[in-house]
Amino acid sequence: KNQVEQSPQSLIILEGKNCTLQCNYTVSPFSNLRWYKQDTGRGPVSLTIMTFSENTKSNGRYTATLDADTKQSSLHITASQLSDSASYICVVTPAEYGNKLVFGAGTILRVKS
Amino acid sequence: DSGVTQTPKHLITATGQRVTLRCSPRSGDLSVYWYQQSLDQGLQFLIQYYNGEERAKGNILERFSAQQFPDLHSELNLSSLELGDSALYFCASSPSRGPSGNTIYFGEGSWLTVV
Repeated sequence: KNQVEQSPQSLIILEGKNCTLQCNYTVSPFSNLRWYKQDTGRGPVSLTIMTFSENTKSNGRYTATLDADTKQSSLHITASQLSDSASYICVVTPAEYGNKLVFGAGTILRVKS
Repeated sequence: DSGVTQTPKHLITATGQRVTLRCSPRSGDLSVYWYQQSLDQGLQFLIQYYNGEERAKGNILERFSAQQFPDLHSELNLSSLELGDSALYFCASSPSRGPSGNTIYFGEGSWLTVV
């Protein structure tokens, strides 16, 4: 069964600190892996999208990594800001025909001053 | 602003009623996706349309239906509403038939509260 699991479920860090969010998936084969940021009550916003052949992708202070062999991805946030407080969702696209996105449950990040 | 427009933003209705949620995709996007997000839960895929045709179906209840019109806007119809249908309903769009390789842009969602 295609699954995406994220850890930790929630995280609190101090402003200015770095953090890393984890995503493990069983989707195989897959065509790409995405990270989205979702503010409370708002629509998810795309941060990165990586194909199975890419290892890393950056978007400002956000850097995603992908290890297709171990089926793991991480999202590293550098120099966190209060505005980074949100849910971060890992999404995997299966390579099969009629593919449907497989969503993780998300990691809730709270950045405090 | 993602370019995906959803209306209404908020809706409160009684059990047993029927509502229609509307979505206008980004200009040029042919695919429209509908998702449901209940409180403290992840996004659940409901249905996808591509250029007017149903493309993929997820965990959509029989009480729910959707369509995509020639101008590419889409509507999600929810009928015989139950308390458990209270959720945030997202529409998303992308230019291609499938989600592979393309960013999928989400709207701001329609908050549905069933009382």
